[in-house]
Amino acid sequence: GESVGLHLPTLSVQEGDNSIINCAYSNSASDYFIWYKQESGKGPQFIIDIRSNMDKRQGQRVTVLLNKTVKHLSLQIAATQPGDSAVYFCAHGDRSGNTGKLIFGQGTTLQVKP
Amino acid sequence: NAGVTQTPKFQVLKTGQSMTLQCAQDMNHEYMSWYRQDPGMGLRLIHYSVGAGITDQGEVPNGYNVSRSTTEDFPLRLLSAAPSQTSVYFCASSWGLASGANVLTFGAGSRLTVL
Repeated sequence: GESVGLHLPTLSVQEGDNSIINCAYSNSASDYFIWYKQESGKGPQFIIDIRSNMDKRQGQRVTVLLNKTVKHLSLQIAATQPGDSAVYFCAHGDRSGNTGKLIFGQGTTLQVKP
Repeated sequence: NAGVTQTPKFQVLKTGQSMTLQCAQDMNHEYMSWYRQDPGMGLRLIHYSVGAGITDQGEVPNGYNVSRSTTEDFPLRLLSAAPSQTSVYFCASSWGLASGANVLTFGAGSRLTVL
């Protein structure tokens, strides 16, 4: 079946460094990918998304890279801050039957050291 | 503008009891969904609705019922709770399913414990 997985359950970085969170997916037909951030005790919050016709998309301090050849997605956070500490989920859009259901990965916990 | 509101935030049930998790959104979103979040499992889709009167099953629908009588509300019912349903439940909504309209807004979650 389909799966979305993250390479590391936990990532620890120094404040000010850049963070890279990785994600692999199995369904080559996926055409929509999205990153969410979840702070402790809260619901997931949208960060950035990308469609399969793009390789890169930038937001404020965040960049998402999509490599369709190896079915790999990454989220880069520039100048990581303590407020970036959270669990990060990647998800992809399941377009079968036009339902638009999102399939989520298991999450990577980002810890920012002061 | 409250966004997506879930109640209750915490609930403890005994096996076999029934209850309803409430979800309301004030953004006039057509699409609403329920996810459960378990340690190491990410978020898994339980049920979803693409509009009032229309619901469908997600990945893990067994043991749960939903209805969508209005655009604003999407309650999740557990008819006979089981310990395996101990989880954190999230309701989410979006404008729709088309590109640019399908970014989900999540509620704060409801933590359910079944003893």
